[in-house]
Amino acid sequence: DAGVTQSPTHLIKTRGQQVTLRCSPKSGHDTVSWYQQALGQGPQFIFQYYEEEERQRGNFPDRFSGHQFPNYSSELNVNALLLGDSALYLCASSLDYARRDTEAFFGQGTRLTVV
Amino acid sequence: SQQGEEDPQALSIQEGENATMNCSYKTSINNLQWYRQNSGRGLVHLILIRSNEREKHSGRLRVTLDTSKKSSSLLITASRAADTASYFCATEGAGNTGKLIFGQGTTLQVKP
Repeated sequence: DAGVTQSPTHLIKTRGQQVTLRCSPKSGHDTVSWYQQALGQGPQFIFQYYEEEERQRGNFPDRFSGHQFPNYSSELNVNALLLGDSALYLCASSLDYARRDTEAFFGQGTRLTVV
Repeated sequence: SQQGEEDPQALSIQEGENATMNCSYKTSINNLQWYRQNSGRGLVHLILIRSNEREKHSGRLRVTLDTSKKSSSLLITASRAADTASYFCATEGAGNTGKLIFGQGTTLQVKP
């Protein structure tokens, strides 16, 4: 049983460019959340998708957008990249966002470097 | 913004010793979870403790939760070199299902 898979593992982009990160959730999971982790910090919640809709959003600008597909996989898009967007981007999947106390499974992350 | 404050920020111990990490948070929670992260990669879920629970065990891990003090502790007994990692507490806020707010983490080094 594959866990949460993310692609690519590493990415280098130039300021002002756009980037798309991808996530496949753990089999059977229907909820995907994205987190940004700056170096030396804890992860920060970006947003959460369930049934192809954004259900919750953290304190991130509109440059950060996402999508969830019918097979529950998800994409994170970041437009007009800034140097400060350099971070590890983590995807987490869980079962039924409306169910409390569910364990979230994380992927290995995508390391984004903006130069 | 971070919800949790973790203490200490860094901890260095010898193999076989116990390691204790503490976490404080600010708002009401559904549950509190502890995660481990090796070398800046993905997070591994260690244990979840619900707001109505006070203590939970999993193997060499013991977690306590004091909702009156809004604090939790993670105890790793008989530590091993393989326990070297960063440890994060994360809270799921009351009414915010699935959204986790993380602390800044404790970096644990276990020397062989």
